[in-house]
Parts: sequence; C-alpha cells; structure tokens
Amino acid sequence: EAQVTQNPRYLITVTGKKLTVTCSQNMNHEYMSWYRQDPGLGLRQIYYSMNVEVTDKGDVPEGYKVSRKEKRNFPLILESPSPNQTSLYFCASSSRVRQPQHFGDGTRLSIL
Amino acid sequence: DAKTTQPNSMESNEEEPVHLPCNHSTISGTDYIHWYRQLPSQGPEYVIHGLTSNVNNRMASLAIAEDRKSSTLILHRATLRDAAVYYCILTSSGGSNYKLTFGKGTLLTVNP
Repeated sequence: EAQVTQNPRYLITVTGKKLTVTCSQNMNHEYMSWYRQDPGLGLRQIYYSMNVEVTDKGDVPEGYKVSRKEKRNFPLILESPSPNQTSLYFCASSSRVRQPQHFGDGTRLSIL
Repeated sequence: DAKTTQPNSMESNEEEPVHLPCNHSTISGTDYIHWYRQLPSQGPEYVIHGLTSNVNNRMASLAIAEDRKSSTLILHRATLRDAAVYYCILTSSGGSNYKLTFGKGTLLTVNP
C-alpha cells in the first residue's frame, strides 16, 4: 500500500532535548515536505526537498533541520526544542512538486 | 510568491451543491491550482488540480476562470463526510522556489 509513515505519532518531551521525527515513503517520490499545523494558522511549510541531498527552507524553518540522504526518508530534527514548537506536524511526498501530495497521519509534539 | 485568498468559512446543506471560491490574482503562467481538504483529526488529502481547463474527477470539479485569477471547487452533492477545511494552493513548475503555501483554508460545514 502506498503510504507516508511518520514516527512517533505522539511525543511529549522537555525543552532542549534533541528529537527526531522520522518520515518514510514507499512510492519512490522525489519531492518531500514537512508542515506544521497550529490553530488558526493553517498548514505552514517548514522545509522541503526536491530530491536526495537537495533541501530548502519553507515558510517557517527556524529551529528545525532536515536531511535527505535517501530518497525514501526525510527526517525532521529539532536540535533544541522549545515550547513554541509544540504543534501537529505532517510529512508529505509527491512524485514532483506539481503532482498531488500524499500526507502522513501526523505527529503531535508537546514540548514542556 | 503567489498567494491565495479563501473565505474563512462556508455552510451548506446535505445533498446540495457547494461552490468554494479561491482568489489567486498574482498567479503566474506556470502555476498549477491544487485543492486539498482536511477532515477532522486527519492529514490533508488531495482533491483535484488543474492548470487552465476545467477538471472533473470522482470527488469534485474545478472551474478555473479564463484569466486564471480565481478558481472554484465544486462539490456536486455535499454529504456530511465532506465537512472539512478546504485548501487552495498554487504550485510552480519553474524557477528555483518550490515552496508551497497552504493558507488558512475554508471551513465547510454541512448541515443534515
């Protein structure tokens, strides 16, 4: 089954403790992206990747890092999480940027 | 970056058609118009997309103005399951910026 898998689905952690949210897709997609969703603000893009080793900033990249060492994986790294990064995060992928995106089920992060 | 403008909310009755508008007055010639929706507690899902001509699929129809400065997503017979936030976004096929901006979307309420 074609899917985008995010882990973990839920995480409660403390300020400053590095964490990684993994994202994997099994559709051989070139384009992958991370979004955060906050009440009243809709979906905002954090980072995107056009292909392996090609990443770029979205609208709200501050405090986040990403890497794209393999085509299927696009982890989101919070080196020193802060409470303002408490949010619902979605990973998405598409064959190319113009094509429909497939979204994961989301990861709810709470930073205390 | 080309932006979209949508009403914050709309209301419809079950089994009636729904027309969801989107303005994108700064759209460029290579921008595709995509619609996604997000049901409560789920990740966004793709609905439809187009470039210049009107498009139909099993979920909806997309009507694109002749000048491409606006578009309308048409749900022909709304069901309770169509209650969701609908997002209109633009995706570019050219240049070096492949950032995607979702915006706040339109919250569609469907009354029984």
